[in-house]
Amino acid sequence: DADVTQTPRNRITKTGKRIMLECSQTKGHDRMYWYRQDPGLGLRLIYYSFDVKDINKGEISDGYSVSRQAQAKFSLSLESAIPNQTALYFCATSDAPLNTGELFFGEGSRLTVL
Amino acid sequence: AQSVTQLGSHVSVSEGALVLLRCNYSSSVPPYLFWYVQYPNQGLQLLLKYTSAATLVKGINGFEAEFKKSETSFHLTKPSAHMSDAAEYFCAALTGGGNKLTFGTGTQLKVEL
Repeated sequence: DADVTQTPRNRITKTGKRIMLECSQTKGHDRMYWYRQDPGLGLRLIYYSFDVKDINKGEISDGYSVSRQAQAKFSLSLESAIPNQTALYFCATSDAPLNTGELFFGEGSRLTVL
Repeated sequence: AQSVTQLGSHVSVSEGALVLLRCNYSSSVPPYLFWYVQYPNQGLQLLLKYTSAATLVKGINGFEAEFKKSETSFHLTKPSAHMSDAAEYFCAALTGGGNKLTFGTGTQLKVEL
């Protein structure tokens, strides 16, 4: 089983629908991140969390919210999906500050908003 | 200004040829630089990282990168490409007071027979 698991792996939805992408990890890491990947734009940080009580906005948090339900779980929500949120979303974890640690990525959740 | 800039969104090499993927960083970022690789339908994984210990950094699968402060560059190289190296490669820099990685736009490497 993967250390960082994302569900669903693929989702097609309609404009205005609420969507939740879930991430769970078995690595025991405190730090969790949500990125989105768009062709030609690389990965951009949406939200990150250093522990259950710590949530921080990334560079593109508008239109998204997150919940850190437990050390192992970090969910990303789109309250009212719009077509330009069509993207590949990645959850990642790290066990240490990134100058000493590294990011461990899930396999991604592909979201299409029609 | 971009923290890291990757030159060339697509690079094509022949099997056995030198691989050179270019990354330039902003002089305003701290000197912590990374290369990640994304194989088809997978998440990213760390290839190597520079953390000021040595300017030439060796990573997995025969890749290495050299930190050149005078050129603000951190190019990724591999002496001999293999078909299995076909993937997308991302350069990244530590930003946000050391709490975040900012990624470049990626370079898709194609390896041809």
